[in-house]
Amino acid sequence: DAKTTQPNSMESNEEEPVHLPCNHSTISGTDYIHWYRQLPSQGPEYVIHGLTSNVNNRMASLAIAEDRKSSTLILHRATLRDAAVYYCILRDPRRKGNTPLVFGKGTRLSVIA
Amino acid sequence: DSGVTQTPKHLITATGQRVTLRCSPRSGDLSVYWYQQSLDQGLQFLIQYYNGEERAKGNILERFSAQQFPDLHSELNLSSLELGDSALYFCASSVAGGVGANVLTFGAGSRLTVL
Repeated sequence: DAKTTQPNSMESNEEEPVHLPCNHSTISGTDYIHWYRQLPSQGPEYVIHGLTSNVNNRMASLAIAEDRKSSTLILHRATLRDAAVYYCILRDPRRKGNTPLVFGKGTRLSVIA
Repeated sequence: DSGVTQTPKHLITATGQRVTLRCSPRSGDLSVYWYQQSLDQGLQFLIQYYNGEERAKGNILERFSAQQFPDLHSELNLSSLELGDSALYFCASSVAGGVGANVLTFGAGSRLTVL
């Protein structure tokens, strides 16, 4: 899987939007951009994924740069429950069979009340 | 509840002992993955099974082994335990194919403490 680069940590005030960046300059044309998060003492959970167009779901939005070399996970209104480590991972669905996710260090998001 | 069930939630044992961690995947998921997360390491992929067959191997020690049974549940066996094996062990599952195969659903984890 191609490499991603994320800031080690970020801080946000409660009820404000949060933009979590991810750089993936070596992304291939078929790589999907996936985001997972891990809340304290819990297993990782899927947040969102996209290929080229921006995506929205009930948890977040994913903004993908036109050249696809970077993306941003947007939490529209951070709550204390959003404090977690956020992982940006590239996945190629053409890869034979189901393959494991390789987690990097992610971005630790702190939310201040 | 993610649909992935892991037991036990907590386990305390002594060095040299052997333990078995169990995982039931989400209904319909054929792939099971095991990950280890210790305090000083991130999430490390151990091993993956797909419909009963080993599919991929990561940083799994020789003292560790796993299998996936015909009913698709999986067990991770850890033997000759050392202090450094203390960690959270997560199981995840995914559907059979397509883009959805790249979406993993994780269980709540089994916390192993080796004394």
